This record gives sequence, C-alpha cells and structure tokens, in this order.
Amino acid sequence: DTGVSQDPRHKITKRGQNVTFRCDPISEHNRLYWYRQTLGQGPEFLTYFQNEAQLEKSRLLSNRFSAERPKGSFSTLEIQRTEQGDSAMYLCASSPLLQGLNTEAFFGQGTRLTVV
Amino acid sequence: SQQGEEDPQALSIQEGENATMNCSYKTSINNLQWYRQNSGRGLVHLILIRSNEREKHSGRLRVTLDTSKKSSSLLITASRAADTASYFCAPDLGANNLFFGTGTRLTVIP
Repeated sequence: DTGVSQDPRHKITKRGQNVTFRCDPISEHNRLYWYRQTLGQGPEFLTYFQNEAQLEKSRLLSNRFSAERPKGSFSTLEIQRTEQGDSAMYLCASSPLLQGLNTEAFFGQGTRLTVV
Repeated sequence: SQQGEEDPQALSIQEGENATMNCSYKTSINNLQWYRQNSGRGLVHLILIRSNEREKHSGRLRVTLDTSKKSSSLLITASRAADTASYFCAPDLGANNLFFGTGTRLTVIP
C-alpha cells in the first residue's frame, strides 16, 4: 500500500491523558499536513511541514498540541492533557512539490480520537 | 477568510440528474482544488484547476474558475448513488497549506 497511513485508526482515552498519533506519508512527498475534523465540519488546518521543517502552525492550535517530523518522513502529533473538546478525527495528508507548484494532497483515513 | 465557502450546504437530487456546487473565496489564489469525502473516511482529491485556467474536465466532473468573481463551480453530470458524499473546495494561496470550508453534502437518491 503506497497511500498515506495513519496509526491508530481509533483511540479512546481518558481526559487528562496524553495521546500520540503517527502519520506515514507517501514516500518522497516532501509536504505533510495535519488537520482536525469534527462532525459536520470541514477539515481544520493544524500544521504543515516541508521536509522536516514545521513551516506553519494554526494560531488556533493550543500549546497542548505538538507535531514533529524528525527525519522528513513520518510525523507524529501529540496532544497533552487531553480534553473532551479534543474529540475529533485527525487527518494527515501529504503532497509533492513539483516545479515549485502545489499539487493535490493525498489524505490518510484518519485517527478518530474520543476523549471520555 | 482563507477558506473556501461552499454553497449550497446540502443538495439532494435524483440519480441521473446533474449536481452543481459552488465555491467562493476571498483572496488571490494559485489554484483551487476540489475534494470528496465519503462518510467517516479521508478526503479524496477530485480535480485541481490553476488560476490561469477557466474550465477543466475529468470524466463526469466539470470545474470552472472565475478569478474575477473569486468563485468556482463543480458540476457532476449524470449523478450516481455512489456520488453521495461531502464535497469541499480548497483555495490554494500558494503558501503552504489548504483551507477547507464546511462543504456541500450531496445526496443522490437511487
């Protein structure tokens, strides 16, 4: 399977616990995005990497959220001290940069987080 | 807002009919992308139209772009039940990310 892979697919955690999600982008895609989506809403941008550099982070993103892409390949998204409002689908996407132009993004199936 | 705003929010049609969805945005773009999302799944890229293009086709899909009006439309011809999904537009500002609106929820009735 050469698509974007996210792990786990589902996560149930107690309020206050930390959680970490992993995203494996399509090989050689240098751009990687994290989004959050709640029911009935569109994906909300969280952060973006180009290779290992985190180039943009949403101002709406709480400091409890942190993302890394240490070797420019896979990425992790950590949420510390989870709150019930963090319950959502967390989507990862990757895309290549071709001749300096943005191209289509390929999305994973997402990690559904439920905070109880 | 940097995101696209889709209209209508919901659309219900009979199988075989055409479906038209619209997208408006507020800033200059490099390109605009349309995505589909089936319930509970990830997004699937449908089509990308660049700012210097006015119309693009892909199978039963037709996308138009009017940069003077900052709007785009997605037409699905001869709709099928399998087209039932949410459709999102994503204006690409040429920066580093895509912003999505709340989408149009399309229901195709068999």
